[in-house]
This record gives sequence, structure tokens and C-alpha cells, in this order.
Amino acid sequence: QQQVKQSPQSLIVQKGGISIINCAYENTAFDYFPWYQQFPGKGPALLIAIRPDVSEKKEGRFTISFNKSAKQFSLHIMDSQPGDSATYFCAATPSGNTPLVFGKGTRLSVIA
Amino acid sequence: KAGVTQTPRYLIKTRGQQVTLSCSPISGHRSVSWYQQTPGQGLQFLFEYFSETQRNKGNFPGRFSGRQFSNSRSEMNVSTLELGDSALYLCASSLDGRNGIRYTFGSGTRLTVV
Repeated sequence: QQQVKQSPQSLIVQKGGISIINCAYENTAFDYFPWYQQFPGKGPALLIAIRPDVSEKKEGRFTISFNKSAKQFSLHIMDSQPGDSATYFCAATPSGNTPLVFGKGTRLSVIA
Repeated sequence: KAGVTQTPRYLIKTRGQQVTLSCSPISGHRSVSWYQQTPGQGLQFLFEYFSETQRNKGNFPGRFSGRQFSNSRSEMNVSTLELGDSALYLCASSLDGRNGIRYTFGSGTRLTVV
């Protein structure tokens, strides 16, 4: 049972364009939503995270948009660069000592 | 500050064998979580250890087990290996594992079962 649905599976974006990755969840107890970035041969690394009390969080070229009523959140990468080419995972967890639940990942390719 | 260290990086085992993977968390981190990553299923939670106690367990068969030592280092064991166990096994450490906040992942152990 997949608790976090992520789309698209793969994405090709031109250099300088905007990359958008979407995630949806059903468990209303989720209250922490991080995004992880994974390069080949490496483990996932925390990129940015948001809690449901805000609708948007921006860190540099990376922005999370959060829609609590729709139970959706998305990652926007502005001015995408070839170095952003990686697999991106959204995740969620409820309060307490519970593990992160991950989406299945989006492989992003930024082409020049 | 040293990161999360997983050993070995690569392993090839035969069906029916058992394997032990090791994870050394960031100094001061007391929670270690293990995930299995495959192309089809993504990252799936195996178990979490905190202060030598298993605190959470995912939906994996009993062939998958783990433990944590007093220095927070953790090991996971898979017995009677099956072809489907071929995957990247990742461990993640955090200060206390609360809410999965600020996991730091290791680079993983790539297990191939032949």
C-alpha cells in the first residue's frame, strides 16, 4: 500500500527551465514532508522540508508548495541546471517515532 | 564531522546464503533506520533501532533482522537469501529518529544475489 504517490516517474527539462515534481498523500496524520535528492552511487540527501502550517518554503532555487486541503505537495526547481540531474524522492511522516514513507522517486534529467 | 558509513559497499552472494551489513551512524546519533531500495518499489522501511532497541519494524519477512550496539553502530542480517533480496540497502541515522527528521543516509550496500 503506497501511502505517498509521486509523479512523474521521469522528467526531462531544458537547462534554465522549471522542474516540477508532484506528490499526493492520504494519511492526514502526516505532518512533516521532506524532499530528498539522490545521485548515482550515493544515498539520498535531504534537500528541503516543510510542515503543513505553511503553504510554501523556498531555499535558493528549490521551492516546496503545500496544499493541505488537496493533500498534495510539490517541488519546484527554478533555473534547472545539468547538475540537478538526479533522482528526487518526496516523503512524509506523522508525529512521533515513526519512519519516513517515501514516494517511488522521479528521475530528473536536465539537458543543455 | 564524519558521515554515515556503510560496509561493505558491494556484496555478491548465492541464494540460500546469509549476509550481514554494517552501519556506523554519525557520532552522537542514537537512531539508525534501515531501508531497502529497488527500482520497482523505491525505498521501503525495514526497521529502526534506538538505544539498542528495535522501535519500529516494516513489513518484511523474519529473514530480515537487525541489532544495534551500545555505540549506536547497527547491523542488519538477511538469512536464506533469495534473488528478490538483490537491492541497495541504505541506513540512515538521526539524533533521535523523531518524526524521521533530518535523516542522514549512508551511501548504501549494493547486494546482488545470484
